[in-house]
Amino acid sequence: GAVVSQHPSWVICKSGTSVKIECRSLDFQATTMFWYRQFPKQSLMLMATSNEGSKATYEQGVEKDKFLINHASLTLSTLTVTSAHPEDSSFYICSASPNPRTSGKTYEQYFGPGTRLTVT
Amino acid sequence: RKEVEQDPGPFNVPEGATVAFNCTYSNSASQSFFWYRQDCRKEPKLLMSVYSSGNEDGRFTAQLNRASQYISLLIRDSKLSDSATYLCVGNGEGRRALTFGSGTRLQVQP
Repeated sequence: GAVVSQHPSWVICKSGTSVKIECRSLDFQATTMFWYRQFPKQSLMLMATSNEGSKATYEQGVEKDKFLINHASLTLSTLTVTSAHPEDSSFYICSASPNPRTSGKTYEQYFGPGTRLTVT
Repeated sequence: RKEVEQDPGPFNVPEGATVAFNCTYSNSASQSFFWYRQDCRKEPKLLMSVYSSGNEDGRFTAQLNRASQYISLLIRDSKLSDSATYLCVGNGEGRRALTFGSGTRLQVQP
C-alpha cells in the first residue's frame, strides 16, 4: 500500500516551454502533497505544500507564478514549470501525506519516484 | 546555518564493518526525526524513525539526543547493498513538511 506515482519520469524540453508534472496517490487519499526539488549532490529542498482544494503554500524564494501547483483532488497534484529555463533543470519529487486524523501519523509521507527535468 | 547538517562523506567501509553517522539540527522545536535512504537518481525511502529512547531495526540503530540536538544512525555488519546516501530528516515546529539534510554517502566495499 501507500504508492505514489509521478508522470513523466523524465522530460527534456526547450527553453521557454512549459512542463506539467503529475503526482498521484494510487491507493490512499492525500490531503496534503509536497513538492521538492533536488539539484545534483544537494539535498531535497521543499518548494511548496499543497492542500487539497486550497492554494499552495510556497517556500521563500520559490516563484509561485513560475511553479504553478494544483491539487484539485485527493489523489492528484500537478506542478507546472512555466517558461522553463536551463537553470530549472532538476529532479522534482513529490510526496503525499494521508489525513493524520485517520492515519494517526502527523509526518507520514510517501514519495513518488521523481521526475528528471532537463531544459535545453 | 542549515537546519539539518550532516557530514557529506563519503564513508568507504569494508563489508562487515560497523559505521556511524551523525547529524545535528538547529530547530529545537522540531518534534520528529527520521533517517531516509536515497539511491542514486531515485527517490528517498524511509529507513526508520528516530526516538529519544533509541530504536533498533535489524542491523540499524537510531538515536536522538534532544539536549545536544543530534541524531545518530549506526549500521552493523555492513552489506554491499547498504551503499547509498543516508538523509537525516526532521520537521519544523507546526509543519508537516520535512527538512532534509544534504546526506551522507556510504560506500561499502567487498
